[in-house]
Amino acid sequence: LAKTTQPISMDSYEGQEVNITCSHNNIATNDYITWYQQFPSQGPRFIIQGYKTKVTNEVASLFIPADRKSSTLSLPRVSLSDTAVYYCLVGVRTGFQKLVFGTGTRLLVSP
Amino acid sequence: GAVVSQHPSRVICKSGTSVKIECRSLDFQATTMFWYRQFPKQSLMLMATSNEGSKATYEQGVEKDKFLINHASLTLSTLTVTSAHPEDSSFYICSARDGDTYQPQHFGDGTRLSIL
Repeated sequence: LAKTTQPISMDSYEGQEVNITCSHNNIATNDYITWYQQFPSQGPRFIIQGYKTKVTNEVASLFIPADRKSSTLSLPRVSLSDTAVYYCLVGVRTGFQKLVFGTGTRLLVSP
Repeated sequence: GAVVSQHPSRVICKSGTSVKIECRSLDFQATTMFWYRQFPKQSLMLMATSNEGSKATYEQGVEKDKFLINHASLTLSTLTVTSAHPEDSSFYICSARDGDTYQPQHFGDGTRLSIL
């Protein structure tokens, strides 16, 4: 399983766009990149998953460069409720793969 | 969407007690579920992989006799912390994946275990 590296923490203000970058230099050909969000005392919640280029859903966008050695989660116009820990995971998109969580990025959104 | 339910959400008990935590997939069948433990301000650590109808696979360093896992049906896995001690106090989280191989894992809301 490819190891990931993320900033430990980030600060932002309401209404700003937040970009969280994750490094995964050893990503394998079959690996996908998945991001989860976790609030205190809750289980992680799936945000977005991608393989290459750009993926967008109603919550976020995921940018993956051609070499796939990094990825960026983009949260448009964050609000206070986006304060959470964000985890980047890399692995094969098969049914029963175990997930290995890194340290995650603790995002604090202030008024 | 897919939902994973954990019960109880919080447990407080005396040292030496055994505690059972349930993880249910509410609207899909999960032949495989995962159990994690999370200490305050730390990341999730995978404890074991629960397989329906067979023995669980434990991660290195996790005592299988201490953390008993039973996955007797396609929608239920249980984790029993036997003879719990204060150092077992933690946040326990399960996850499950729908049979469709391209679906992401869905997590329960965790169980806060406090051993006095």
